[in-house]
Amino acid sequence: DAKTTQPNSMESNEEEPVHLPCNHSPISGTDSIHWYRPLPSQGPEYVIHGLTSNVNNRMASLAIAEDRKSSTLILHRAALRDAAVYYCILRDVSNTGKLIFGQGTTLQVKP
Amino acid sequence: NAGVTQTPKFQVLKTGQSMTLQCAQDMNHEYMSWYRQDPGMGLRLIHYSVGAGITDQGEVPNGYNVSRSTTEDFPLRLLSAAPSQTSVYFCASNPSTQINSPLHFGNGTRPTVT
Repeated sequence: DAKTTQPNSMESNEEEPVHLPCNHSPISGTDSIHWYRPLPSQGPEYVIHGLTSNVNNRMASLAIAEDRKSSTLILHRAALRDAAVYYCILRDVSNTGKLIFGQGTTLQVKP
Repeated sequence: NAGVTQTPKFQVLKTGQSMTLQCAQDMNHEYMSWYRQDPGMGLRLIHYSVGAGITDQGEVPNGYNVSRSTTEDFPLRLLSAAPSQTSVYFCASNPSTQINSPLHFGNGTRPTVT
């Protein structure tokens, strides 16, 4: 099963950009890269996903390396509510499509 | 839209008892899965299903049973509960394994095994 490697923890100051790295090697051509974060008393919240091209949505941006062996989740202006564990996951849509979560990165946001 | 509904939210049971965690989705999603979340271990996949009548094991299937008789429902059974199964359990669904779209998660079920 494809796995990802993330730093255990990172810190950021409020209203500053945050770059959360993820290594995902090896990666197959049909693996897509997903990011989730748990919400208090709720299930994990979808943040963003992509296959080959960089992606932007209202929550974040996803920068994918040209060789697809790494990616970076970018929060443009960290808010206190963004403090959470961020999981980078590969999903093989050509096979079972199952999502295997890694350990994630715990992001702390300081006021 | 109800999305993914998990019941019950909390449950206390004794070692050796059985319990069924219910999961229902009203989005006609083919793919459904169960995860458990434990401190320091992230989310681990227990079982998953790519369609009605089809189930498969994930990373930590021992002690759990699933069935998928309908597209909408994917119950998870704790066969003989053990304290190690005290956790937060999340059910998730997705339109299809072939569609590159995000998972929809329920709000979790929290059984405590004493």
